[in-house]
Amino acid sequence: DVKVTQSSRYLVKRTGEKVFLECVQDMDHENMFWYRQDPGLGLRLIYFSYDVKMKEKGDIPEGYSVSREKKERFSLILESASTNQTSMYLCASTFMGPGQGAPGTGELFFGEGSRLTVL
Amino acid sequence: ELKVEQNPLFLSMQEGKNYTIYCNYSTTSDRLYWYRQDPGKSLESLFVLLSNGAVKQEGRLMASLDTKARLSTLHITAAVHDLSATYFCAVDEVDFMKTSYDKVIFGPGTSLSVIP
Repeated sequence: DVKVTQSSRYLVKRTGEKVFLECVQDMDHENMFWYRQDPGLGLRLIYFSYDVKMKEKGDIPEGYSVSREKKERFSLILESASTNQTSMYLCASTFMGPGQGAPGTGELFFGEGSRLTVL
Repeated sequence: ELKVEQNPLFLSMQEGKNYTIYCNYSTTSDRLYWYRQDPGKSLESLFVLLSNGAVKQEGRLMASLDTKARLSTLHITAAVHDLSATYFCAVDEVDFMKTSYDKVIFGPGTSLSVIP
């Protein structure tokens, strides 16, 4: 089974703090994603990566950055946390090899989520 | 821009009854996914539908895809309480003009509550 592990299930941070959310997948997947989920707004794509050291902005990248130094690990960084970044953050990965479809698409395997509260 | 709609958004049904959740999308795509989310939990993949006419079944759930109508259905047979969850459909959006990135577009979700 695919396993996507997020480092923290629950975090509480203060405004202005730097926050790291880590995500590791064990299935050698090419693509990794960060979403946030908020009531009434559904899932919104923050960033994704289709290769090591590659990244693409999603729909709401402002206030976030990402890092993918190794294929299995994709980190989301909040440089200076703000209260409007209180949310559930979901990491996902997918394999998209030749003939499997376009780089940013495919069946997603999600981590358990990280619920971040910024005070 | 691809839009994905689900109908209904909220569904309360009795155990033992049948019902169908509908997923419509606005532009051409031949890949559609169904996910389940339990309260406070993450999303779990249920079905992957990769072509017109595709049908997949798992237990009391059956999903189908009609790419010409841009419609997928998730049919629930003889519902049980354990099926209470939020169900999302999602569709691949491929930007053939390459003016933007390819991505997966999610519907708003259907919150299902099965009442004993």
